[in-house]
Amino acid sequence: DSGVTQTPKHLITATGQRVTLRCSPRSGDLSVYWYQQSLDQGLQFLIQYYNGEERAKGNILERFSAQQFPDLHSELNLSSLELGDSALYFCASSTLGAGNTIYFGEGSWLTVV
Amino acid sequence: AQRVTQPEKLLSVFKGAPVELKCNYSYSGSPELFWYVQYSRQRLQLLLRHISRESIKGFTADLNKGETSFHLKKPFAQEEDSAMYYCALHLGGSGNTPLVFGKGTRLSVIA
Repeated sequence: DSGVTQTPKHLITATGQRVTLRCSPRSGDLSVYWYQQSLDQGLQFLIQYYNGEERAKGNILERFSAQQFPDLHSELNLSSLELGDSALYFCASSTLGAGNTIYFGEGSWLTVV
Repeated sequence: AQRVTQPEKLLSVFKGAPVELKCNYSYSGSPELFWYVQYSRQRLQLLLRHISRESIKGFTADLNKGETSFHLKKPFAQEEDSAMYYCALHLGGSGNTPLVFGKGTRLSVIA
């Protein structure tokens, strides 16, 4: 158990819909990262938050957005969903000074039908 | 730009044979490199980080700055080693920054 918690574990939704994925980082970790894993693209970094503020941005679509709340949990919002958004979405967290290691959650399986 | 290359998508070896999973990186500064393992589309688990020079589950990896490589090795493969292996580099070369991952290598250990 990495200590990073993600909900829901599985989600099936229709095209055009909007979903929210939730992540609770490890206790004390200030940074939260979101990654998308699909069969054809591998692991793609989407976005990072540090202590409530956006820190780094990767290949995140404009239809997607994220935020980190004062209690440090984070949400990834995916809107106007397309079939190609079907993927495993990972959240990860880290804290500076802890060997710079990033710990991953179990992931949220999103299937868009 | 930082980049991680894992040239092999699939590597099949027999049980007891040596394993080497290749990873090359592109980064102009001092890199921080990691190996992660993923079993059956579960969460990614940290296997090794170059900074600690440790050996986990019999795997080792040495950073070769001259060849810009961080190959993962194990002298005798076990069936339970079958998994996806990802090499990763800290974006910006320092901690608390995102990891850039290679495309991964699927290791299949044949009994």
